[in-house]
Amino acid sequence: DTGVSQNPRHKITKRGQNVTFRCDPISEHNRLYWYRQTLGQGPEFLTYFQNEAQLEKSRLLSDRFSAERPKGSFSTLEIQRTEQGDSAMYLCASSISDRGVNEQFFGPGTRLTVL
Amino acid sequence: LAKTTQPISMDSYEGQEVNITCSHNNIATNDYITWYQQFPSQGPRFIIQGYKTKVTNEVASLFIPADRKSSTLSLPRVSLSDTAVYYCLVGDSFKAAGNKLTFGGGTRVLVKP
Repeated sequence: DTGVSQNPRHKITKRGQNVTFRCDPISEHNRLYWYRQTLGQGPEFLTYFQNEAQLEKSRLLSDRFSAERPKGSFSTLEIQRTEQGDSAMYLCASSISDRGVNEQFFGPGTRLTVL
Repeated sequence: LAKTTQPISMDSYEGQEVNITCSHNNIATNDYITWYQQFPSQGPRFIIQGYKTKVTNEVASLFIPADRKSSTLSLPRVSLSDTAVYYCLVGDSFKAAGNKLTFGGGTRVLVKP
């Protein structure tokens, strides 16, 4: 399967714990995005990378959130000191920057539940 | 970014054509109209994108009137597997800051047998 993969698919944690999610984009895609989606809402942009550079962060990305893409390939999203309000689906997407079509390829997401 | 308005939900039956209209009164000259589909517990999937008039692919058609203040996604002969949420997005497709996608609430389409 050459699509975007995310791990884990589900994560249950207790409030105050740290969690880390991983995203493996489509191999030739230089852009990688993180979104968050809560029940009944559309995805909300969190941050994006072009290669290894993090070029934009949403105001939704508080100081407890950090994302990395160390070698311009896979990316990790860490949430420190989780809160119940962090419970959501975290989606990763990738794309090629030189394409004119605004097509992003999404992974299946990681569903986080904070107890 | 131009705001979009679309119906919250629509019901249809197998074999029928489903048309979802999206309003985007503040669309800018450089903005394109893009539609994504999302099934439960999956990430969104690109369906179609257009700038003006009509665009058709193997999945859907997109109709955009001359004033571009609205657009209609047309799904021909839907099946049960087309039950999903459909999002209309408007934004600058070319070289925009990361081409980040701004989703609204979407339209929940339920296809009944």
